[in-house]
Amino acid sequence: AQKITQTQPGMFVQEKEAVTLDCTYDTSDPSYGLFWYKQPSSGEMIFLIYQGSYDQQNATEGRYSLNFQKARKSANLVISASQLGDSAMYFCAMRGQRDTGFQKLVFGTGTRLLVSP
Amino acid sequence: KAGVTQTPRYLIKTRGQQVTLSCSPISGHRSVSWYQQTPGQGLQFLFEYFSETQRNKGNFPGRFSGRQFSNSRSEMNVSTLELGDSALYLCASSAFIRRTGGSPTQYFGPGTRLLVL
Repeated sequence: AQKITQTQPGMFVQEKEAVTLDCTYDTSDPSYGLFWYKQPSSGEMIFLIYQGSYDQQNATEGRYSLNFQKARKSANLVISASQLGDSAMYFCAMRGQRDTGFQKLVFGTGTRLLVSP
Repeated sequence: KAGVTQTPRYLIKTRGQQVTLSCSPISGHRSVSWYQQTPGQGLQFLFEYFSETQRNKGNFPGRFSGRQFSNSRSEMNVSTLELGDSALYLCASSAFIRRTGGSPTQYFGPGTRLLVL
């Protein structure tokens, strides 16, 4: 069975500082994909970044980067130069396996990030 | 391109009633997935439709059903509503994009907030 664990219910960061949101995962499938989504208070889930299990390099998308440590089964999201608009819930998710359907996302419990001025 | 749209955005129903939620995917996306988000259970996969066929189903009772039309629009229906059905229902449409190395990436709508009294 697949499982995503996010151990930080909440994180505080000051504007312009960097912050790391933790995510560990468990899967028996050697091929997998990991996603990070941002959910503002409005409710919509916004896709941020993706890391494939066979990707040689850590993913980066603007101010977002992924610290992918395959042996430790962790895929931590790093947000550099935090902005007030980054305040939101952040979810780590894993793509479903072949037998359960690739479209099914398994989500962690999320981390609420608060950016202060 | 217009994003995923969901209607209605807010809904109040009473126990025992039924409800139908609608989702219009991003143009060209043929896969539509539904998720339920509650404070207690987090984000849970309901089902996925592709080309008018249900491809995957989560662990929900038969009161939860869905369908997809030839234009890829999807509806989900919940019959005999219970208090525990109060949740944010999120719809996502999926596409294979270069950014994720061919892994299907789900783009979410703003959700429908259902309150059952």
